[in-house]
Amino acid sequence: NAGVMQNPRHLVRRRGQEARLRCSPMKGHSHVYWYRQLPEEGLKFMVYLQKENIIDESGMPKERFSAEFPKEGPSILRIQQVVRGDSAAYFCASSPPGTSRAGELFFGEGSRLTVL
Amino acid sequence: AQTVTQSQPEMSVQEAETVTLSCTYDTSENNYYLFWYKQPPSRQMILVIRQEAYKQQNATENRFSVNFQKAAKSFSLKISDSQLGDTAMYFCAFMKQGNTDKLIFGTGTRLQVFP
Repeated sequence: NAGVMQNPRHLVRRRGQEARLRCSPMKGHSHVYWYRQLPEEGLKFMVYLQKENIIDESGMPKERFSAEFPKEGPSILRIQQVVRGDSAAYFCASSPPGTSRAGELFFGEGSRLTVL
Repeated sequence: AQTVTQSQPEMSVQEAETVTLSCTYDTSENNYYLFWYKQPPSRQMILVIRQEAYKQQNATENRFSVNFQKAAKSFSLKISDSQLGDTAMYFCAFMKQGNTDKLIFGTGTRLQVFP
């Protein structure tokens, strides 16, 4: 059973360009979460999605950031007009439906975005 | 708002010895969960141990155990018989009970296990 798959692992963008990060959850998992990790900091929650629905986006910056989890295909975190402050590691996590193991998230290896 | 504090940026321990990582948190909630996650150098975060706040008994997973002090809002992780593979960043995390797995992480403790 493949784990959470994220790509690209590394992405370099110039200021003003767009970044698209993809995440395929574990098989059978219907919940996807995106977290951002700045250097020397813990992970910060960004958004929680289920198929075709954004459940909680309280951690998403109001502008330039968007996320989706379509019926088919991976979840996408999109950052428009990137700035240097967007440089970070972006982690995706998934969890199965139900609450039997609440809080047990399965993380991908992350996508490291560098903005020049 | 909930906060999680890890006051030890770095720790080191010799192989086979025991080490304790500290974590404190602040919340007005009564029902919640606490976690320790491990982030090895490969950077894939994995769950180490999980504690439900309503349970008085401290959680244990093999060599990993916690000391959960609810009144003091303290949640330390003890690693016994440390192994080289335990070298990693360790993050303490809090989650309010509910239907959203939104974890609040501390800033992490970098643990180095020496041979």
